[in-house]
Amino acid sequence: DAMVIQNPRYQVTQFGKPVTLSCSQTLNHNVMYWYQQKSSQAPKLLFHYYDKDFNNEADTPDNFQSRRPNTSFCFLDIRSPGLGDAAMYLCATSRTNLGLAGAYNEQFFGPGTRLTVL
Amino acid sequence: AQTVTQSQPEMSVQEAETVTLSCTYDTSESDYYLFWYKQPPSRQMILVIRQEAYKQQNATENRFSVNFQKAAKSFSLKISDSQLGDAAMYFCAYRSDAGNNRKLIWGLGTSLAVNP
Repeated sequence: DAMVIQNPRYQVTQFGKPVTLSCSQTLNHNVMYWYQQKSSQAPKLLFHYYDKDFNNEADTPDNFQSRRPNTSFCFLDIRSPGLGDAAMYLCATSRTNLGLAGAYNEQFFGPGTRLTVL
Repeated sequence: AQTVTQSQPEMSVQEAETVTLSCTYDTSESDYYLFWYKQPPSRQMILVIRQEAYKQQNATENRFSVNFQKAAKSFSLKISDSQLGDAAMYFCAYRSDAGNNRKLIWGLGTSLAVNP
């Protein structure tokens, strides 16, 4: 089945130690998103890639960066994790269909990576 | 800017009963999409149902249906014959159809408990 895969599912890191989370997809979608979600809150969009174009949210800290080496893979790099960065990180994908009526472009989510910062 | 409001942080329903989750939104646009997403305790977010603003007919997916009131900017979700597996956080989301908008505007969510 086509899907969005996130690895690892659980990640423990130390305060200030860089960490990378990965996302891959078999849906061949051209848009990939990274969200941060804290307990009982709505997901907060960090950034997204439209094809190779990177789109950062204005309030995303510089500590968070992303790479998309190809259509299938996207990485979230946290350069110096702080205690406040402990959260669930969700990857999502969607496909844009310019000019097609009824193109919902809904987002498909991976299972998430739970990050713990010690 | 668009906003999405879910006024019920928590709801509960008895198994086999019907429950309605409310969602209102604010926008000046005429073309947009609305979604309900479900996030069970396992945390994978899945799409429950979607609605195009230009469609007057309310969307239905098995036991899930919406009451879309465009003039009132209301988009409620009705779950019929509730099952234990319906227990989850439910998020209402809005996406503009302007340009090539790719972002969702999220409500704060409603936590639904299903009592046996």
